[in-house]
Amino acid sequence: IVMTQSPATLSVSPGERATLSCRASQSISSNLAWYQQKPGQAPRLLIYGASTRATGIPARFSGSGSGTEFTLTISSLQSEDFAVYYCQQYNNWPRMFGQGTKVEIK
Amino acid sequence: QVQLQESGPGLVKPSETLSLTCTVSGGFISTYYWNWIRQPPGKGLEWIGYIYYSGSTNYNPSLKSRVTISIDTSKNKFSLKLNSMTAADTAVYYCARGDYYDSSGYHKNGFDIWGQGTMVTVSS
Repeated sequence: IVMTQSPATLSVSPGERATLSCRASQSISSNLAWYQQKPGQAPRLLIYGASTRATGIPARFSGSGSGTEFTLTISSLQSEDFAVYYCQQYNNWPRMFGQGTKVEIK
Repeated sequence: QVQLQESGPGLVKPSETLSLTCTVSGGFISTYYWNWIRQPPGKGLEWIGYIYYSGSTNYNPSLKSRVTISIDTSKNKFSLKLNSMTAADTAVYYCARGDYYDSSGYHKNGFDIWGQGTMVTVSS
């Protein structure tokens, strides 16, 4: 299963909304996770089951979608949210990640 | 609180075998699927494979011929061996916790706990 994220880079001002997209090459039901990765750090799980926030993740992060189309929304970007975001399917083996979306300061 | 810690050499010579270990602390190694994932510098994430505490494994077809993952449940550790290393294998290697079993059965899951990662460079 190929995971395709768009856009590759998203330029957003602090306080604005960011919408990231992820598409699977075939249906993965709701078996999709989103991760945030900052430079020099391991990825951190944000969302699993396409829409369930992981423990400790702020409510400004939300996920939606099922089947092949998924969205991660950050409602009001904070300074600590500028990072690279990856989607990942866990419906099939091998587990596959998208290529990432970099959210940068506009 | 479960924590993972990778350990192993930071430099491997071409054609040699990489050996890394992940130590699981703060919890039991049983009932979960334990994974290795890597990330070349400036690039995305690639799942390498998993091992279940029973010893069953599954590997990425792109690496299957060169990968062996093993587990030592008595020491709460699991290990990765990747042979015939080349410069293309230069990456940060992470261990991570994935799918699991509980009283209601098997659950597919994302990777909810990660080690900090260890940088491995392939160079003579």
